Amino acid sequence: NAGVTQTPKFQVLKTGQSMTLQCAQDMNHEYMSWYRQDPGMGLRLIHYSVGAGITDQGEVPNGYNVSRSTTEDFPLRLLSAAPSQTSVYFCASRTREKLFFGSGTQLSVL
Amino acid sequence: RKEVEQDPGPFNVPEGATVAFNCTYSNSASQSFFWYRQDCRKEPKLLMSVYSSGNEDGRFTAQLNRASQYISLLIRDSKLSDSATYLCVVTHSRGSGNTGKLIFGQGTTLQVKP
Repeated sequence: NAGVTQTPKFQVLKTGQSMTLQCAQDMNHEYMSWYRQDPGMGLRLIHYSVGAGITDQGEVPNGYNVSRSTTEDFPLRLLSAAPSQTSVYFCASRTREKLFFGSGTQLSVL
Repeated sequence: RKEVEQDPGPFNVPEGATVAFNCTYSNSASQSFFWYRQDCRKEPKLLMSVYSSGNEDGRFTAQLNRASQYISLLIRDSKLSDSATYLCVVTHSRGSGNTGKLIFGQGTTLQVKP
């Protein structure tokens, strides 16, 4: 199993550009989520999904969209990037007891 | 007030020391509790779950105090390799159900020195 695969690892955007962060897992987990991590803030939940076709907002959803068309994939879309979205992003899937994280995306918005 | 709070540290301790971290949570309906470890620029990884009766895994001991709404992590005989950030995680419950969301504390940084 590859676990949780997250791409890209690094990305630089200009303000107003759009992009999609990809996340895929091969463990057949129903629950997937996206977090952002900023210095001194810990990980904050952006959006999550409890199964294909079901998504919900987390703590900081503004400026981000998600969809869950399959169990495996959970992409995160930035429609119009802003400097405040500069952060490290982690995708995760989970069992009841454990979160499995992707390796992270370092995003800079200039 | 943050839902999950930790002292960010850093905690600087010598090798062999015993160090303890606390984490408080505000939602009394929180169901499950975990400690994660995060190395610099890496993804968090599960260190241990925290059970009501307390649990131990080698040099690591986790405790839960539901009455006071805090969990703790004790590390005995600290090693250089224990240097990392330790994240407290609780599940977020609304009403009688478990929404499945996990809420992270901001993390406590530990630096073990020779």
